[in-house]
Amino acid sequence: SQTIHQWPATLVQPVGSPLSLECTVEGTSNPNLYWYRQAAGRGLQLLFYSVGIGQISSEVPQNLSASRPQDRQFILSSKKLLLSDSGFYLCASQTGGFSYEQYFGPGTRLTVT
Amino acid sequence: ILNVEQSPQSLHVQEGDSTNFTCSFPSSNFYALHWYRWETAKSPEALFVMTLNGDEKKKGRISATLNTKEGYSYLYIKGSQPEDSATYLCAFRGSNYKLTFGKGTLLTVNP
Repeated sequence: SQTIHQWPATLVQPVGSPLSLECTVEGTSNPNLYWYRQAAGRGLQLLFYSVGIGQISSEVPQNLSASRPQDRQFILSSKKLLLSDSGFYLCASQTGGFSYEQYFGPGTRLTVT
Repeated sequence: ILNVEQSPQSLHVQEGDSTNFTCSFPSSNFYALHWYRWETAKSPEALFVMTLNGDEKKKGRISATLNTKEGYSYLYIKGSQPEDSATYLCAFRGSNYKLTFGKGTLLTVNP
């Protein structure tokens, strides 16, 4: 099975500061990769997904961007954080057809102060 | 915007009780329905992926059913144990790469 690594586990950043969260995947090749966020009191919201190197689809207009520089690396970034960017960020990987499950990383708890 | 609803929002049961909760999803453009268990401080763990109307899947004391025509899935836990305490998420997959998640049902099993 796949293993998803995310870091850091927790992060406290001031408003206006930059952000970079990294996700790497082991145990598979050419996965579909996803960034989700869970804000307080809400469900998991899909932010970005990628079906290959350099291919990024954005789900909601926001202050964040994503990049996929390597097959098993997915990066979430922001140039200037907003208070509303606080939340729990999860990276997920999926290989195979649509009926296969997504595997999730351990997540990053981001608090913007 | 796809609407995936889970009920109840939270549930408290005693050890040994059996319980069930519901996931409602769009009945059109259905491709798969996923169930996950998410324990505090851990990653969501896949329980089931269901694709066919009438599917029933089982893993230990946990089972799930699927009705794609009316757009609902039930998750059942038989003889709940404290280690079953977690948030149970369902997610709808239509004809694309994306999963739309419900807000989850928080289950607490008291010893």
